[in-house]
Amino acid sequence: KAGVTQTPRYLIKTRGQQVTLSCSPISGHRSVSWYQQTPGQGLQFLFEYFSETQRNKGNFPGRFSGRQFSNSRSEMNVSTLELGDSALYLCASSSRTGGKNIQYFGAGTRLSVL
Amino acid sequence: DAKTTQPPSMDCAEGRAANLPCNHSTISGNEYVYWYRQIHSQGPQYIIHGLKNNETNEMASLIITEDRKSSTLILPHATLRDTAVYYCIVRVASGEYGNKLVFGAGTILRVKS
Repeated sequence: KAGVTQTPRYLIKTRGQQVTLSCSPISGHRSVSWYQQTPGQGLQFLFEYFSETQRNKGNFPGRFSGRQFSNSRSEMNVSTLELGDSALYLCASSSRTGGKNIQYFGAGTRLSVL
Repeated sequence: DAKTTQPPSMDCAEGRAANLPCNHSTISGNEYVYWYRQIHSQGPQYIIHGLKNNETNEMASLIITEDRKSSTLILPHATLRDTAVYYCIVRVASGEYGNKLVFGAGTILRVKS
C-alpha cells in the first residue's frame, strides 16, 4: 500500500509570493492533517480536513489555508509569504475511525522563503 | 501545550535496550499514549500506542504504569538507525474528537557504537 505522498519535496520562494503544497493520503484514508515544523517552534498543528470539510484548526494566521478534494487529496496554501514561513510542512492521513486512528506522515515539503 | 514530559536527550549503546520514559500525570481515562519518532528531516513515524495494558509490536514495547501517569518505550536491541527524536503523545483515540497531535520537544536518542 502506498504511503502518504507530498509534492513537491523542496520549494524556494521569495517574500510576498504564495505557495501551494499537495498531499495524497493513503488509499482509503479520509482525514488529512497538516503540520508545520520549525527549529524554534517544533511541530505545530495547522488544520485537519475530513470529507472535504475543515474539522480542526490550529493557531495560525489566515494566510494559511487548505482544502480537500472528493478523492481525499489535500492542498494547503500560504499567501504573502514571510521569511518565518520557512519550514518543513508535513501532511498526515488517517482513517479517523475505529480505536486505532493512527496518523501516518508523509516525508514533508521543505519550503525556503528568501 | 503538550501533556507529556520527556527527558531532552538520552544515549544508548548499540545492541542494548533503549528505555525512553514519558510522564503524563494529567492523562484522562479515555486518552491513549502514542509514540512516534522522527529521523532527521523525515516525517514522524508511528511506533506504538496503548491505553493501559502493555503493548508489543515488531518495533518496540510500551509499558504503562498501573496509575497510567507514566510510560516507557522500550527498543529491545537498539541500532544506529534508531537514532532519532522520540515523541510521546497522549490523545483520545477516536477520530471523532479530532486528529490534532500535540507534539512536545521529544527525546533525542543517540545510539552509539
